[in-house]
Amino acid sequence: EVQLVESGGDLVQPGGSLRLSCAASGFSFSGYEMNWVRQAPGKRLEWVSYISNSGANKYYADSVMGRFTVSRDNAKNSLSLQMNSLRAEDTAVYYCAREGPLGGGNVFDIWGQGTMVTVSS
Amino acid sequence: QAVLTQPSSLSASPGASASLTCTLRSGINVGSYMIFWYQQKPGSPPQYLLTYKSDSDKQQGSGVPSRFSGSKDASANAGILLISGLQSEDEADYYCMIWHSSAWVFGGGTKLTVL
Repeated sequence: EVQLVESGGDLVQPGGSLRLSCAASGFSFSGYEMNWVRQAPGKRLEWVSYISNSGANKYYADSVMGRFTVSRDNAKNSLSLQMNSLRAEDTAVYYCAREGPLGGGNVFDIWGQGTMVTVSS
Repeated sequence: QAVLTQPSSLSASPGASASLTCTLRSGINVGSYMIFWYQQKPGSPPQYLLTYKSDSDKQQGSGVPSRFSGSKDASANAGILLISGLQSEDEADYYCMIWHSSAWVFGGGTKLTVL
């Protein structure tokens, strides 16, 4: 079964750090680009970060640039998001999403169930 | 001004059609973009529905019924998700998305109520 499972969400104080992980299974992880998307409680989806299949190319939303770092370990079928200098506005469910080719573009075709990050004192 | 603007809510009756719009910011030409549509139900991650760039360049997600379709209104600079024959299970949040300036951008989402 094609699956993404996030972990690492927790309650953390403002200014703190947290590392999220996303374990992939059921597909050739190294062949796919990956993304992190978050959703604050009751709010809209917000794209956070992208990483190419080799890990050579990375993009970030302006809201997390310089604080978050995306990485991947293709040998371990794992995606990570290192989050530093956390703020209250980073509180959200964080989803990892596979970017799969479909037609002339890529789509977020597989999503994990998400992991909750709460930033509060 | 947001890159993508969606009405916050829309209501329609079972069996009717619903047209959900995704308006691109002035200066961003809808004709140049693939518009991606996702559906999200409470407590679940989003699910991909379809992609629309033109009538000759569009994709339907696996298992997505044909009553979900995409189009564009160039005069309004908007992408459109049309849902025909509305069913109760179509009640959900719907998000549009584009790739713009090296970033994925989501619209604010439309909450569709079927009543």
